[in-house]
Amino acid sequence: GENVEQHPSTLSVQEGDSAVIKCTYSDSASNYFPWYKQELGKRPQLIIDIRSNVGEKKDQRIAVTLNKTAKHFSLHITETQPEDSAVYFCAAPPFGNEKLTFGTGTRLTIIP
Amino acid sequence: NAGVTQTPKFRVLKTGQSMTLLCAQDMNHEYMYWYRQDPGMGLRLIHYSVGEGTTAKGEVPDGYNVSRLKKQNFLLGLESAAPSQTSVYFCASSYSGRGGAKLNTEAFFGQGTRLTVV
Repeated sequence: GENVEQHPSTLSVQEGDSAVIKCTYSDSASNYFPWYKQELGKRPQLIIDIRSNVGEKKDQRIAVTLNKTAKHFSLHITETQPEDSAVYFCAAPPFGNEKLTFGTGTRLTIIP
Repeated sequence: NAGVTQTPKFRVLKTGQSMTLLCAQDMNHEYMYWYRQDPGMGLRLIHYSVGEGTTAKGEVPDGYNVSRLKKQNFLLGLESAAPSQTSVYFCASSYSGRGGAKLNTEAFFGQGTRLTVV
């Protein structure tokens, strides 16, 4: 996306370990930070999102953390399972900007 | 609710042919988007719309046109297909909030259209 950088582009972790994917953004007006998961051959789907008035949000094994000062946010997946293997995308649209662009994606592979 | 539905699901075109991809959503969303996804993962924004009768260019608009005559439909047209337009195309829609709030919210994607131009 034009205002989002995502790293790493590929990530392999042993089943049961944790995975972290990071996105940095440039526009200080960004206030919504979603993460999407796309399984092979399927459509992207939202898995978790956060707004700028909170620093962290958890949903079972996944969490998103936000550092507005440093302009970065991260997706954390704990106790990884084979079904976590997918491509993950982040976005950081500036407030009032309906142009939704995504980071370049991270291909996560869970090694059994 | 069907959500976001794209037609067709698959299509093969010859170079120079034209076609239209249809995206329909039944969630009364204001925002609609067209993306292309090439091998290697990324979603690149082609065009988008913030409401009926309005469209805007995304990151890769060349070679494509769009129309949003009805709120629930967003059409993507290829006037003269080229092999470089071989890709998987995704449509998405999202809710913008009440009273013109211009919120960013969850985007719902269609199932995708696999287009091959030979």
